Amino acid sequence: QVTLRESGPALVKPTQTLTLTCTFSGFSLSTSGMCVSWIRQPPGKALEWLALIDWEDDKYYSTSLRTRLTISKDTSKNQVVLTMTNMDLVDTATYYCARLDRGYIQGAFDIWGQGTMVTVSS
Amino acid sequence: EIVLTQSPGTLSLSPGERATLSCRASQSVTSSYLAWYQQKPGQAPRLLIYGASGASTRAPGIPYRFSGSGSGTDFTLTISRLEPEDFAVYHCQRYDRSLWTFGQGTKVEIK
Repeated sequence: QVTLRESGPALVKPTQTLTLTCTFSGFSLSTSGMCVSWIRQPPGKALEWLALIDWEDDKYYSTSLRTRLTISKDTSKNQVVLTMTNMDLVDTATYYCARLDRGYIQGAFDIWGQGTMVTVSS
Repeated sequence: EIVLTQSPGTLSLSPGERATLSCRASQSVTSSYLAWYQQKPGQAPRLLIYGASGASTRAPGIPYRFSGSGSGTDFTLTISRLEPEDFAVYHCQRYDRSLWTFGQGTKVEIK
């Protein structure tokens, strides 16, 4: 069974750096085709894709947020970490991690974590 | 950057009725990938439909009443007969050249 779980602070202050961890099980990021992505959703608003890392350690970022994002993986721990710098009030959102298997469902996210709500407030 | 526009914003229907949701891309997406997700309050999105433009496949466990179609700039998610559990928000998503984009969502509510 594939599961993903997000963890990180529920509250950050403006200008701080957010660090989120996605811990997953049921697959390995060293397996060809496997990818993990971060997606966020402000309250009552649309989903926004943020970043993706694949089994070859290639990284892809949202065009509008790439200067603030860093995604990395620790294959031995089955974890993917996202850092977002210079947090602002508009970054308040639920942050999801999700799996993408290029060998199965190439461009879509088939399994999602439950999400973690991050509030930016002073 | 391609923008996905979903319409209508809200669709008010009764159980048993047919739902037709639209997702329009600002540029042709002939060589890219389109997917649909369902999201209920307080839950993560669930993958419903995926596939390259012009083709669609239901994700495992998704009922036959869900289908996807379209190509180019216009894509449609159809729910043939709404069941009570289908009232939710639906998101379309495109993948092309290592960029993923979501639409703003369509809420299907009980009339």
